[in-house]
Amino acid sequence: GQNIDQPTEMTATEGAIVQINCTYQTSGFNGLFWYQQHAGEAPTFLSYNVLDGLEEKGRFSSFLSRSKGYSYLLLKELQMKDSASYLCAVRDDPGGFKTIFGAGTRLFVKA
Amino acid sequence: DAMVIQNPRYQVTQFGKPVTLSCSQTLNHNVMYWYQQKSSQAPKLLFHYYDKDFNNEADTPDNFQSRRPNTSFCFLDIRSPGLGDAAMYLCATSREGDIGGYTFGSGTRLTVV
Repeated sequence: GQNIDQPTEMTATEGAIVQINCTYQTSGFNGLFWYQQHAGEAPTFLSYNVLDGLEEKGRFSSFLSRSKGYSYLLLKELQMKDSASYLCAVRDDPGGFKTIFGAGTRLFVKA
Repeated sequence: DAMVIQNPRYQVTQFGKPVTLSCSQTLNHNVMYWYQQKSSQAPKLLFHYYDKDFNNEADTPDNFQSRRPNTSFCFLDIRSPGLGDAAMYLCATSREGDIGGYTFGSGTRLTVV
């Protein structure tokens, strides 16, 4: 079956670093995405990994290991505005028409 | 700015009364999607259009239909809304061959009374 697992909630302190993990089991793999979703709003695209390794984009980095079915999102220098849900998603078909989402990790950043 | 626009932002409908949600895009993306997201759950794909070709997910209830009259617009019709259909409905677009993620609209939060 298709499954994407990530922790339900995490709490971290302003200025700190937090790592949000994601494991996946899908019938196919054509890329892994991380989205940020603030409460009551639509998801916004953060990062994309299709090859193993680390992709860095400012305060955000995302890592992928295809052999382990594992990814993480790393957020550095946390700010209060980073309080949001972070959705891990896998595109499981070559055409790119089907992306499966995890339920999201709700991150609380405290002062 | 090129974007995906959903109207209305909030929709209240009566149990069993047909309702239509709309989505428009100025990105000229050829693929459009409708997702249903319930509170604290993953967005669930209902269907997508690849150009004019409609693709329904196997577990999407018959109560949900969609229309795409042109590249820019896509509609979600719920024929007889039930209480269980209360959710956020997300429209998203992508272009075939793009490696980036989807562009989502702001969503329509549907309440069924």
